[in-house]
Amino acid sequence: SYELTQPPSVSVSPGQTARITCSGDALPKKYTYWYQQKSGQAPVLVIYEDSKRPSGIPERFSGSSSGTMATLTISGAQVEDEADYYCYSTDSSGNRKVFGGGSKVTVL
Amino acid sequence: DVQLVESGGGVVRPGGSLRLSCATSGFMFDDYGMSWVRQVPGKGLEWVSGISWNGGSTGYADSVKGRFTISRDNAKNSLYLEMNSLRVEDTALYHCARNGGGAGYYFDYWGQGTLVTVSS
Repeated sequence: SYELTQPPSVSVSPGQTARITCSGDALPKKYTYWYQQKSGQAPVLVIYEDSKRPSGIPERFSGSSSGTMATLTISGAQVEDEADYYCYSTDSSGNRKVFGGGSKVTVL
Repeated sequence: DVQLVESGGGVVRPGGSLRLSCATSGFMFDDYGMSWVRQVPGKGLEWVSGISWNGGSTGYADSVKGRFTISRDNAKNSLYLEMNSLRVEDTALYHCARNGGGAGYYFDYWGQGTLVTVSS
């Protein structure tokens, strides 16, 4: 089976930069997507196709991908950015749709 | 605004069945593929099943293959998930999600979910 690996938690001070990594063997060939999920809410797409930002998502959210690792960067993290963040992609065949285990971002 | 509203969740015994529904609005339903994604409370996300815009192509996670059936009614702007032979490990919040456009297979809008509890 295919897996995406994320750190369980990331802590950052307000105004500083948080980086969340996601590693997977198929990432050189497949796009990575990032979702933000606040407590009790549905997930929200914050980055698609490695580095594109949907309309309405603040510019402080950015994404990149190199080799087998993708990174979500929150530049100038705000208290309201506290949430669980999940990366998502597929295996090389496209048949298996997989989420990472999630990273809890704490801003304090 | 895109809206996805799930219903049909509840408590069911192991081996039982349940049918989930997702009512959609705010977009051209028959232009988009759709998916179901589930989440055990307090845990991570798991893709369950997906269906193409016209229902001609479907896919399932190995964990539900042969037990769950996804379908859609484009005239009613609705998505469904028929769940049979339910197991305790199927207990989760089931989200309906719209498949995004572009090159990859992903989900651009999500509903709040409907809770399915499988317990004896």
